[in-house]
Amino acid sequence: AQRVTQPEKLLSVFKGAPVELKCNYSYSGSPELFWYVQYSRQRLQLLLRHISRESIKGFTADLNKGETSFHLKKPFAQEEDSAMYYCALSGLGQGGKLIFGQGTELSVKP
Amino acid sequence: GAGVSQSPSNKVTEKGKDVELRCDPISGHTALYWYRQRLGQGLEFLIYFQGNSAPDKSGLPSDRFSAERTGESVSTLTIQRTQQEDSAVYLCASSTAGRPDTQYFGPGTRLTVL
Repeated sequence: AQRVTQPEKLLSVFKGAPVELKCNYSYSGSPELFWYVQYSRQRLQLLLRHISRESIKGFTADLNKGETSFHLKKPFAQEEDSAMYYCALSGLGQGGKLIFGQGTELSVKP
Repeated sequence: GAGVSQSPSNKVTEKGKDVELRCDPISGHTALYWYRQRLGQGLEFLIYFQGNSAPDKSGLPSDRFSAERTGESVSTLTIQRTQQEDSAVYLCASSTAGRPDTQYFGPGTRLTVL
């Protein structure tokens, strides 16, 4: 079965603190993994994808196939990072449909 | 440029009524996706269109749900005999070639079934 699990509904940190949003997945094959973000009153948008191995807005995520995880990290959180974060996967040959986790609300306090 | 648009933005209906939700994708986007987000939950895939055919309808929760698409343009999601559990935000996304990393999402339609 395909599944994405984000164990934390809410993560609250202070500005400047490191942040890690956890994501674990279940998929029989080699999926593509993504992080999407939704800022207040804005649309859901792509933050980053594992195949790009890129850093966006200071965030990085490493795919760990052994642990089936794709945790999102940032060394120093900023107030503007406060948003809903969704981990998602897509399987080969599935036309691009995304399987989402339940989301983690990140709150960065001043 | 214009993004994905959805209408209405909000819809309140009575249990048992039919509703139609509309999605206008980005011009030139061949793939179109419908997702549902119930309160406190993640997005659930409903259906995927490539052009006007739907290769994957696996997420439609019951036969009360149907969707169609006109060419590579507007799509309509229809829910017949609405139930309270249908209350959710319905999101539409489009992409150029069925690639997940190019999906652009609309603002959603918030459906409330009383």
